[in-house]
Amino acid sequence: GDSVTQMEGPVTLSEEAFLTINCTYTATGYPSLFWYVQYPGEGLQLLLKATKADDKGSNKGFEATYRKETTSFHLEKGSVQVSDSAVYFCALSDSGGSNYKLTFGKGTLLTVNP
Amino acid sequence: GAGVSQSPSNKVTEKGKDVELRCDPISGHTALYWYRQSLGQGLEFLIYFQGNSAPDKSGLPSDRFSAERTGGSVSTLTIQRTQQEDSAVYLCASSLDGTNSYEQYFGPGTRLTVT
Repeated sequence: GDSVTQMEGPVTLSEEAFLTINCTYTATGYPSLFWYVQYPGEGLQLLLKATKADDKGSNKGFEATYRKETTSFHLEKGSVQVSDSAVYFCALSDSGGSNYKLTFGKGTLLTVNP
Repeated sequence: GAGVSQSPSNKVTEKGKDVELRCDPISGHTALYWYRQSLGQGLEFLIYFQGNSAPDKSGLPSDRFSAERTGGSVSTLTIQRTQQEDSAVYLCASSLDGTNSYEQYFGPGTRLTVT
């Protein structure tokens, strides 16, 4: 079955540091890939997505590139801010009949200190 | 416009009692989903509705769990004879339709604690 593996947290960085959160996946079809973010006290929000190989999703300074050869979708940001402190979830929805279903990684807690 | 809303936001119940969790999706969204977020398990898919039908119930963990949706809108997730392992945050999401072409919008969740 489909699965998503992302780096264990927590991750603690200083403001303006470079961020990478690793994500790899296993899927039977040709999945779409997503990063969701959950800010403290708020619901999950879509951060970015990519629907096919070599696509780059980007939003709010975050980027992730769909790498089919390494089955990866690592999240990066060049300079994090305190306001980026949140839990980040990598997710996929597979192609085919159950493409409505999101399969999530376990989440990575990011704390950015001033 | 209004987002996905869920009620109650917190629920504490005794083991063995039944609970009902409610989800109000975004108006006009035909697809509705329930997920469960628990420590150690992450986010797990429970059930998917398209309109009032549930073509995929594969994620419901046991027959104590059931869900319905009426009028193509509000959904209720019912857990009978709650157990401590049911303690989790239950998330509802909705989207324009049931394909990955459309973003799933999540509600704030209901935190269920079974004592």
